[in-house]
Amino acid sequence: DAKTTQPPSMDCAEGRAANLPCNHSTISGNEYVYWYRQIHSQGPQYIIHGLKNNETNEMASLIITEDRKSSTLILPHATLRDTAVYYCIVRVTSGYSTLTFGKGTMLLVSP
Amino acid sequence: SAVISQKPSRDICQRGTSLTIQCQVDSQVTMMFWYRQQPGQSLTLIATANQGSEATYESGFVIDKFPISRPNLTFSTLTVSNMSPEDSSIYLCSVSRGNTEAFFGQGTRLTVV
Repeated sequence: DAKTTQPPSMDCAEGRAANLPCNHSTISGNEYVYWYRQIHSQGPQYIIHGLKNNETNEMASLIITEDRKSSTLILPHATLRDTAVYYCIVRVTSGYSTLTFGKGTMLLVSP
Repeated sequence: SAVISQKPSRDICQRGTSLTIQCQVDSQVTMMFWYRQQPGQSLTLIATANQGSEATYESGFVIDKFPISRPNLTFSTLTVSNMSPEDSSIYLCSVSRGNTEAFFGQGTRLTVV
């Protein structure tokens, strides 16, 4: 699986959009970009994934650059409950594939 | 989605003893995995629990230390054997239905004293 690079920490004001970047410059054509988050003392939670088109669900939006070498997870209106460690993971989904977690980004949402 | 129940949620154990952690899923799943999260660290895959056969262990993890069972498609156990303080971690069960996203249990917080 390709390696990802994320900033160790970010701050965001409550109600504002949180934009979390991820670099994956060695991504292969058959690898998807997945985002998970881990709220303190809980197991990781799936957020969203995409291949090359932008994706949106009830939790977040995922913007993938045209060359697919980087992506941004957007939480449109961050709340205090969005404070968590966010993991960007590149993964081949055709067939069996495990998740390789990096250090992630610690997002702190403040009032 | 999948509802995953892990037991116990936490435990404090004496060194040299063993603890078995259970993972129960509310529906059949293809893949079951066990991860470890050491204090302040990210998650590390221990092994893939294979139904009806021996688990597949990642580098650095061995069956004698972390025996795993998976008797059916909804249940698995991980045993942490002959524990030492270095085994103090959160142990997480994860499941996946083939090529879909993975879901995680709430974890078992283990402290070895």
